[in-house]
Amino acid sequence: DTGVSQDPRHKITKRGQNVTFRCDPISEHNRLYWYRQTLGQGPEFLTYFQNEAQLEKSRLLSDRFSAERPKGSFSTLEIQRTEQGDSAMYLCASSLARLQETQYFGPGTRLLVL
Amino acid sequence: DQQVKQNSPSLSVQEGRISILNCDYTNSMFDYFLWYKKYPAEGPTFLISISSIKDKNEDGRFTVFLNKSAKHLSLHIVPSQPGDSAVYFCAASDDYKLSFGAGTTVTVRA
Repeated sequence: DTGVSQDPRHKITKRGQNVTFRCDPISEHNRLYWYRQTLGQGPEFLTYFQNEAQLEKSRLLSDRFSAERPKGSFSTLEIQRTEQGDSAMYLCASSLARLQETQYFGPGTRLLVL
Repeated sequence: DQQVKQNSPSLSVQEGRISILNCDYTNSMFDYFLWYKKYPAEGPTFLISISSIKDKNEDGRFTVFLNKSAKHLSLHIVPSQPGDSAVYFCAASDDYKLSFGAGTTVTVRA
């Protein structure tokens, strides 16, 4: 399967702990995006990379959140000192870096902070 | 602020009939529009898209219509099938990021 993959699919953690999620995009895609989805809402943009450069960060991405894409392939999203309000589905998507390109999503990582 | 709105949280339709989902947007800079389908505990799956230079795009049972002057788009599914039961999200792009509506839950009745 050559789609977007995410790991883990589920994560339960205690408040105050750090968590890290991984995303592997479609291999030829040079853009990678992170979104967050809470219950009853559509996905909300967090950040995106073109190759290894992080080009945009939403104001939703507090300083407890950090994302990397060190070699322009897979990406990690780390949340430090998790809070209950961080509980959500974290979605990764990828696309080619062209205008009007479709973003393809992975299955998501569901985070529950107790 | 919500730039993409789906005002109908749910839609129930009989199998074989047409499903019509609606979406409104406020940002005139959006130039590409997409519909995604989502099952519980899965990521959104791309269905169909339309560029702002077109007013209609068709792919099998799915047709998307765009009315730029009204800042409105709709998705038609004909005929509706039980496997179409899911949450449908409208999304709009102005270069890199997607702005999503809150979704419409479609239930197809046998």
